[in-house]
Amino acid sequence: DTAVSQTPKYLVTQMGNDKSIKCEQNLGHDTMYWYKQDSKKFLKIMFSYNNKELIINETVPNRFSPKSPDKAHLNLHINSLELGDSAVYFCASSQDSYRTDPDEQFFGPGTRLTVL
Amino acid sequence: LAKTTQPISMDSYEGQEVNITCSHNNIATNDYITWYQQFPSQGPRFIIQGYKTKVTNEVASLFIPADRKSSTLSLPRVSLSDTAVYYCLLNSGGSYIPTFGRGTSLIVHP
Repeated sequence: DTAVSQTPKYLVTQMGNDKSIKCEQNLGHDTMYWYKQDSKKFLKIMFSYNNKELIINETVPNRFSPKSPDKAHLNLHINSLELGDSAVYFCASSQDSYRTDPDEQFFGPGTRLTVL
Repeated sequence: LAKTTQPISMDSYEGQEVNITCSHNNIATNDYITWYQQFPSQGPRFIIQGYKTKVTNEVASLFIPADRKSSTLSLPRVSLSDTAVYYCLLNSGGSYIPTFGRGTSLIVHP
């Protein structure tokens, strides 16, 4: 069984559209993340949720809105898509980001978003 | 945010040992050093993590000198399947902000 899954795997859309990417983890983890990876392979965190509460919100346009209906899901909704939003988006989860020793993160397979 | 610096790319051949060094001059007392591996079209995967001295697992070894300002990921006897991007990051647990950077692209040649 897939530990962290994302849908869709590929997403091609026009500028100005609104789209969502879904993420689910079946590991029982407390914390989930969204990352953006650009064409130069920089992997940058966007959001982190712990038990459905937002704990990290990096400098991301407010067109991006994460939603966590429960501990196992963290969806990413993007409004008014722009060309610069084209990237690979990764969801990840870890056991508990409030432990003193760091947790291993488990990543999903990624969603390649292309904005035309 | 603590920053790490690593080579952009490295080349090696099958069967060789590969050492990838990461510099982190501003490492904090409670920072651990964590390495992830990313294959093309996949998400990153945890390889190894350490605080000081040496850590070894079935995949790699991690060497951390006493001053902790750098660390070296060692991959013994690499194969073609070790071709990937390797990320070094500082990781302090709690509500840290994971910073992956650009990683080192390792290409293993036959």
